[in-house]
Amino acid sequence: GAVVSQHPSRVICKSGTSVKIECRSLDFQATTMFWYRQFPKKSLMLMATSNEGSKATYEQGVEKDKFLINHASLTLSTLTVTSAHPEDSSFYICSARRLAGGSYEQYFGPGTRLTVT
Amino acid sequence: AQKVTQAQTEISVVEKEDVTLDCVYETRDTTYYLFWYKQPPSGELVFLIRRNSFDEQNEISGRYSWNFQKSTSSFNFTITASQVVDSAVYFCALSGMNTGFQKLVFGTGTRLLVSP
Repeated sequence: GAVVSQHPSRVICKSGTSVKIECRSLDFQATTMFWYRQFPKKSLMLMATSNEGSKATYEQGVEKDKFLINHASLTLSTLTVTSAHPEDSSFYICSARRLAGGSYEQYFGPGTRLTVT
Repeated sequence: AQKVTQAQTEISVVEKEDVTLDCVYETRDTTYYLFWYKQPPSGELVFLIRRNSFDEQNEISGRYSWNFQKSTSSFNFTITASQVVDSAVYFCALSGMNTGFQKLVFGTGTRLLVSP
């Protein structure tokens, strides 16, 4: 149990276009999902916290108009990179939070590698 | 503020050697969780362990062992008899009560290269 999927796993897009990445919790409901960004050979940086039915909470320095997050259901959160530019090329990872054994666990998706040309 | 430091950026060992990955953390929370994740070349994060701040017992799982010492704010990870398949980037992370245990703060990772 506790599987999180992401789609697509890889995407290449042209500069100026928008890209949508989906994050799904396959076998549990997640009221909270998280979006991380990882540059090559770097650590994961939390971009935003996505709450079902409400607006996402963005970390300092993350442009909310650039990275649109929608958490439309208890099993799906989407991240849309709008008007993508080469500097947006990165590895995007989502995670979903589930209550287990009296505490919350975060389960990570396999990541989406975005390349903007 | 919370911070996780992994001072070793890259470690190279030969198969069957033991290796310890260091993790030092900073937090003002009295209750927090510490984690270790493995990220193989495929990119997917693999959960290895979670430790509650009130539980300082060391843990062993097969070839893996963890040493949690609150006195030095460290949560080190040792791989015994390393194997080539252990080659990956390993991240230490912290989640504290002040964020409702929502946010994971990651260290910069340690890249482990195990050669045959």
